[in-house]
Amino acid sequence: QLQLQESGPGLVKPSETLSLTCSVSGGSISSSSHYWGWIRQPPGKGLEWIGSLYYSGSTYYNPSLKSRVTISVDTSKNQFSLRLSSVTAADTAVYYCARLSADSSGYYGIKDSWGQGTLVTVSS
Amino acid sequence: QSVLTQPPSVSAAPGQKVTISCSGSSSNIGNNYLSWYQHLPGTAHKLLIYDNNKRPSGIPDRFSGSKSGTSATLGITGLQTGDEADYYCGTWDSSLSAWVFGGGTKLTVL
Repeated sequence: QLQLQESGPGLVKPSETLSLTCSVSGGSISSSSHYWGWIRQPPGKGLEWIGSLYYSGSTYYNPSLKSRVTISVDTSKNQFSLRLSSVTAADTAVYYCARLSADSSGYYGIKDSWGQGTLVTVSS
Repeated sequence: QSVLTQPPSVSAAPGQKVTISCSGSSSNIGNNYLSWYQHLPGTAHKLLIYDNNKRPSGIPDRFSGSKSGTSATLGITGLQTGDEADYYCGTWDSSLSAWVFGGGTKLTVL
């Protein structure tokens, strides 16, 4: 059974870079049938898609975050990572990683497996 | 403010049926496939419905999805206390070039 687990610091200072890793077990991140993604949820607010990645390294990001986001993959460790630079209090959120499958249009947006999430607080 | 609009909360008695709406526009729901997710606190989100009305294996047929125009609906019949959770809809928004979600609906089974 596929499992995803987020890890990283729970506290980041303003203006610094948030770094998280998603470890995948029970399946290969090099699957040709899936993308992998990051989603977040600020306290009391809805879900926000951050970006998605293919095992080859191809990425696409939410335009609202694109200038600050980097998502990368380490196939040897079966992991992918998120870096979000120049964080502010508005970036405080629970961050989730997920596996993405294609819908009938071929868009990789079906989040068919999720991690449990990790809370990242931005504060000095 | 979420791009897709859901009611903040719904409630119904055990055994009853409930529907959760998800409203959008032609740039998202109107022209793209929609998914529904269930989230119980402390657990991973679960995919309930994809491609508007398809259920992944293991999801009981008590859960159903439908779409009409720029709105979609998640239906749950035979409500159980274990269905108490937050429910989210999500789809692609062609204008924003982003995956978008509803704000979530909290289901209470009275």
